[in-house]
Amino acid sequence: RKEVEQDPGPFNVPEGATVAFNCTYSNSASQSFFWYRQDCRKEPKLLMSVYSSGNEDGRFTAQLNRASQYISLLIRDSKLSDSATYLCVVKAGKSTFGDGTTLTVKP
Amino acid sequence: NAGVTQTPKFQVLKTGQSMTLQCAQDMNHEYMSWYRQDPGMGLRLIHYSVGAGITDQGEVPNGYNVSRSTTEDFPLRLLSAAPSQTSVYFCASSYAGAQETQYFGPGTRLLVL
Repeated sequence: RKEVEQDPGPFNVPEGATVAFNCTYSNSASQSFFWYRQDCRKEPKLLMSVYSSGNEDGRFTAQLNRASQYISLLIRDSKLSDSATYLCVVKAGKSTFGDGTTLTVKP
Repeated sequence: NAGVTQTPKFQVLKTGQSMTLQCAQDMNHEYMSWYRQDPGMGLRLIHYSVGAGITDQGEVPNGYNVSRSTTEDFPLRLLSAAPSQTSVYFCASSYAGAQETQYFGPGTRLLVL
């Protein structure tokens, strides 16, 4: 079993849709959690950190459930520019990346 | 600030050749790491360093060496290239600390024939 597992995807949604991604992790000693965005053939960039109380950044909401060991990302009112691969990252000393979930937002 | 820079951007090697992928950062970050990304997959940690003179192995270290003689530079050496090392290589850096964000370089695309 992988340390970090994400929804397999791909997700194809129309503009304006709400879409949610889930990510589970196996290391209960994990200390910090992030969502990164990766555009085609480019380097990953931080989308947002994930805090225990949940956090929001505009149209993006991240949640953490330590008891169940999962993280989620909710994107509201999807834009064409949200099309990318979203990587879940869990850190316990070292960072471990999920394989990513690809989102395509269509007109 | 240039951020994290990597050279070369592209490289083609023949099996058995050696080469060094360069990585440099100008943010005075303590933590640096090397990842590889194969098609359709996430990033896998090769080696990392928590400061000058200190390196450690990640998930997939075999066939790669690293050294960290300065805070700024963290080169990755392929000792004897194999086709299985065809991949995209990303270098990243961050401040020490659990909540610190990693900043990535633009990547090096390596093809081993």
